[in-house]
Amino acid sequence: GAGVSQSPSNKVTEKGKDVELRCDPISGHTALYWYRQRLGQGLEFLIYFQGNSAPDKSGLPSDRFSAERTGESVSTLTIQRTQQEDSAVYLCASSFWGLAGGDVAKNIQYFGAGTRLSVL
Amino acid sequence: AQKVTQAQTEISVVEKEDVTLDCVYETRDTTYYLFWYKQPPSGELVFLIRRNSFDEQNEISGRYSWNFQKSTSSFNFTITASQVVDSAVYFCALSGLDQTGANNLFFGTGTRLTVIP
Repeated sequence: GAGVSQSPSNKVTEKGKDVELRCDPISGHTALYWYRQRLGQGLEFLIYFQGNSAPDKSGLPSDRFSAERTGESVSTLTIQRTQQEDSAVYLCASSFWGLAGGDVAKNIQYFGAGTRLSVL
Repeated sequence: AQKVTQAQTEISVVEKEDVTLDCVYETRDTTYYLFWYKQPPSGELVFLIRRNSFDEQNEISGRYSWNFQKSTSSFNFTITASQVVDSAVYFCALSGLDQTGANNLFFGTGTRLTVIP
């Protein structure tokens, strides 16, 4: 598809289990972002990847959270030993950066539909 | 520090009324971007607009218009002649601009707009 794709759309897990959330960015987008949205709240930044640069992990709430990205494609967000407070919608976004497309195209983040994580 | 404040938590209007959603921001950057996103009940954020900090011209797109005022650090969003399909949560967001061109967004807490038929 043409948009950002996230899977699964819903995930229910038991406290203490590990979960993996997947994001397929828009083809050609060099930057990829993960955000968390708790019920009724705005989005909190977690991590972003830009090309081959070291990722900015400054938003990760604890060492139970980690993320990887393969080149400029798929990313996986992993939450280890899940806790009930991890319950939220996890949103992925991607954006373009480069000479082509002009300034208009740059730094506009396009979001996926999110993964709703419920920790019981 | 970057901060975005959307003081209006919820707004209800009757269809065809005009409505303005407020957004106030704080940043120490001299160059930054401001955004509005719409989050309908389906959950996916839809990009509406991006403004550069050096371009204060107001913008109109159909029934949507945006008023950017650096003097008051505000970037307000007006919907004219509201429709039921406008019902959604609207987020204002701010980003800086680093050398790599990639920046995380700082979001407000959102304003839930309900348009009553």
